[in-house]
Amino acid sequence: AQKITQTQPGMFVQEKEAVTLDCTYDTSDPSYGLFWYKQPSSGEMIFLIYQGSYDQQNATEGRYSLNFQKARKSANLVISASQLGDSAMYFCAMRELSNTGNQFYFGTGTSLTVIP
Amino acid sequence: DAGITQSPRHKVTETGTPVTLRCHQTENHRYMYWYRQDPGHGLRLIHYSYGVKDTDKGEVSDGYSVSRSKTEDFLLTLESATSSQTSVYFCAISEGASGVGNTIYFGEGSWLTVV
Repeated sequence: AQKITQTQPGMFVQEKEAVTLDCTYDTSDPSYGLFWYKQPSSGEMIFLIYQGSYDQQNATEGRYSLNFQKARKSANLVISASQLGDSAMYFCAMRELSNTGNQFYFGTGTSLTVIP
Repeated sequence: DAGITQSPRHKVTETGTPVTLRCHQTENHRYMYWYRQDPGHGLRLIHYSYGVKDTDKGEVSDGYSVSRSKTEDFLLTLESATSSQTSVYFCAISEGASGVGNTIYFGEGSWLTVV
């Protein structure tokens, strides 16, 4: 089974509107971390936001927020007030702790295009 | 920015030749990873290291080997490159601390083309 599932290969959003990128995960580990990364066309992977499995509140970082629904095993990224510079690939990731340490799993990504 | 340097950044090589990609970190992080990125597959783990000389396989390890003789360096070797190994390779590091300290940080990527 896929550890991380991103079901939206591509998304479009109007500039200044909000957009939600979906992510579901699969784990039986009670302690895990969830991450979102942005990959612009230049190729670098940029860390956006982190949510711990025991965190009671949804994580926020500026215009980014993570809608964490533990029972549904979903960790959707919400970008408010979209900007042209938000056009990029977005990857959801999960960290689990194995017997050799941290394991990170990534989804297949969602390509976001912001329309002027 | 995390101090991660990958070399070479771009390489074209012929089928059957050996190739080594180098990852160097200045953060003294315990964990180091090699991923490959291909369209439609996202990032897939090739190998990772949880300490000097301690390595383990990821989900796509066939055809690859790694070595870590120092904390700061993690080498990925394609023993005999094939066209299916044409990809973008990312090195990543993780401190192994709790909470947000467990974030994984990436190098800038190495574009490898096997012809």
